[in-house]
Amino acid sequence: GENVEQHPSTLSVQEGDSAVIKCTYSDSASNYFPWYKQELGKRPQLIIDIRSNVGEKKDQRIAVTLNKTAKHFSLHITETQPEDSAVYFCAASLVHFGNEKLTFGTGTRLTIIP
Amino acid sequence: EAQVTQNPRYLITVTGKKLTVTCSQNMNHEYMSWYRQDPGLGLRQIYYSMNVEVTDKGDVPEGYKVSRKEKRNFPLILESPSPNQTSLYFCATSGGQKQFFGPGTRLTVL
Repeated sequence: GENVEQHPSTLSVQEGDSAVIKCTYSDSASNYFPWYKQELGKRPQLIIDIRSNVGEKKDQRIAVTLNKTAKHFSLHITETQPEDSAVYFCAASLVHFGNEKLTFGTGTRLTIIP
Repeated sequence: EAQVTQNPRYLITVTGKKLTVTCSQNMNHEYMSWYRQDPGLGLRQIYYSMNVEVTDKGDVPEGYKVSRKEKRNFPLILESPSPNQTSLYFCATSGGQKQFFGPGTRLTVL
């Protein structure tokens, strides 16, 4: 089955600087790669996603890049703000016999230092 | 407003006492799924359902049951809970692979 590795597990950046979180996946057939943000005690919230036919996607201060050849994808947050502090999860998905299962990375705890 | 709801949000119970965690969605999605979240392990799929009366096992189904009698509801059943089922549980619903999570149920089994 699919295996997703995520690095780093913790990341601290100064407010205003950029943060980058990286993930690798094992199944070359995976075709959908979402990123979730989870604040303490809350549900995971979808913040951005990318499909395998796209190399990069941006939404304001957040961008995701995908390298299908190397089987890795990254989340980039620019001009970080205190409210960006949270745990971020990457995931990979392939619809297999109707199962839209997300395989998650183990998460990155991002701390923005004011 | 599009919603996924779960009940209860918090539950402390004892080993062997049957319990049900409910999940309901108003987005008319066919696909629903249950995950458990444990420290250092991320979220892992327990069961999923592609439509009414269609359910199947995910990666960690042991000790759990589900049913899908109506499109909007997908309850998770623990017939005989054990301490290793202490976890944070999330229901999710999906439209076009975009999955939206419920608020979570924190379960403690003593």
